Amino acid sequence: DTGVSQNPRHKITKRGQNVTFRCDPISEHNRLYWYRQTLGQGPEFLTYFQNEAQLEKSRLLSDRFSAERPKGSFSTLEIQRTEQGDSAMYLCASSLGGQGGLNTEAFFGQGTRLTVV
Amino acid sequence: AQSVAQPEDQVNVAEGNPLTVKCTYSVSGNPYLFWYVQYPNRGLQFLLKYITGDNLVKGSYGFEAEFNKSQTSFHLKKPSALVSDSALYFCAVRDGVGGGSNYKLTFGKGTLLTVNP
Repeated sequence: DTGVSQNPRHKITKRGQNVTFRCDPISEHNRLYWYRQTLGQGPEFLTYFQNEAQLEKSRLLSDRFSAERPKGSFSTLEIQRTEQGDSAMYLCASSLGGQGGLNTEAFFGQGTRLTVV
Repeated sequence: AQSVAQPEDQVNVAEGNPLTVKCTYSVSGNPYLFWYVQYPNRGLQFLLKYITGDNLVKGSYGFEAEFNKSQTSFHLKKPSALVSDSALYFCAVRDGVGGGSNYKLTFGKGTLLTVNP
């Protein structure tokens, strides 16, 4: 399967614990995105990487959240001191990019569902 | 700021009938518009996009969408619905100003499509 891969698929953690999610994008894609989706809502943008550079962060991304893409390939999203409000589906996406909007569509992974108890 | 509205939380149609899922948007510059579909416990699958050119765009699984600049709409359509089309549909927009350097997608809340046999 050459699509976007996310691990783990499900994570249950106790409040206050740290969690880390991994995303492996489509191999030739230089752009990588993290979104968060809660029940009954559309995905909300969290952050965006072009290669290894983190170019934009949403105000939703509090200081407990950190994302990295150290070699411009896979990415990790860490949440420190988790809270119940962090329970959501965390989606990763990647895109190739190009001139004038070509290849601009993002392809999404299946997501990591986080439950904080 | 960019935004998307999907005015219908649910749409119900009979199999074989045409379907329409509505979407309106707001952006500062030229809109890049997308439709995604989400099946239960799955990530989002790309259906189609409008960047420029013909107002009627065709996508996967027989879906098409019509871009209407004056009405700022991008409604998703299919001439003959299938039971297997039942899923959650999301419209998304990004602002194409500056050659599309803003890569953040803004999603609507989603429309649950149910196709009845």
